[in-house]
Amino acid sequence: SQTIHQWPATLVQPVGSPLSLECTVEGTSNPNLYWYRQAAGRGLQLLFYSVGIGQISSEVPQNLSASRPQDRQFILSSKKLLLSDSGFYLCAWSGDAQITKSEAFFGQGTRLTVV
Amino acid sequence: EDKVVQSPLSLVVHEGDTVTLNCSYEVTNFRSLLWYKQEKKAPTFLFMLTSSGIEKKSGRLSSILDKKEFFSILNITATQTGDSAVYLCAVERGYKLVFGAGTILRVKS
Repeated sequence: SQTIHQWPATLVQPVGSPLSLECTVEGTSNPNLYWYRQAAGRGLQLLFYSVGIGQISSEVPQNLSASRPQDRQFILSSKKLLLSDSGFYLCAWSGDAQITKSEAFFGQGTRLTVV
Repeated sequence: EDKVVQSPLSLVVHEGDTVTLNCSYEVTNFRSLLWYKQEKKAPTFLFMLTSSGIEKKSGRLSSILDKKEFFSILNITATQTGDSAVYLCAVERGYKLVFGAGTILRVKS
């Protein structure tokens, strides 16, 4: 069966420090991978998605970047964190570019607090 | 701009009550509408709806889509404290899901 791992679960970082959140998927190959952010009391906002190694699409301009160095690994990074980067970050995968054919499955999330 | 609006934003009921959660959307190139339940961390998948008028059911939960009126409802009958969660509605648009803000449901014993 497929599983998705995301770490760390919580993170407190000072403003201006770098960030690296990692997500890995097991039990499937060539998944579509997604990074979402959820602000308090808000829905999920798509930040990045990837349909293959090295292929990254950004949805909103921001202080973050994403990389996919391996088929089942998706990394969210920042060189210098801002206070506004605080939030709940969720990694997700789906088995098909058309979600109608395969719903998205989510990791447990990372609660990031920038202080 | 794509928009998904959920109502109510929050709801408090007693065990045994029936609740109806609403989701309306304005999305171009609509493909499907999904419902997720988020308790503490990862949203978990409940339903995917692609056709109007066909009810999907899982235990005490059911959902239906109306593509003419651009909305969906999620019903929960005989609510239990374990139903307390945030319920998220999302609409598929191409490669991504556009999410609503969610409905916070609290079921009191």
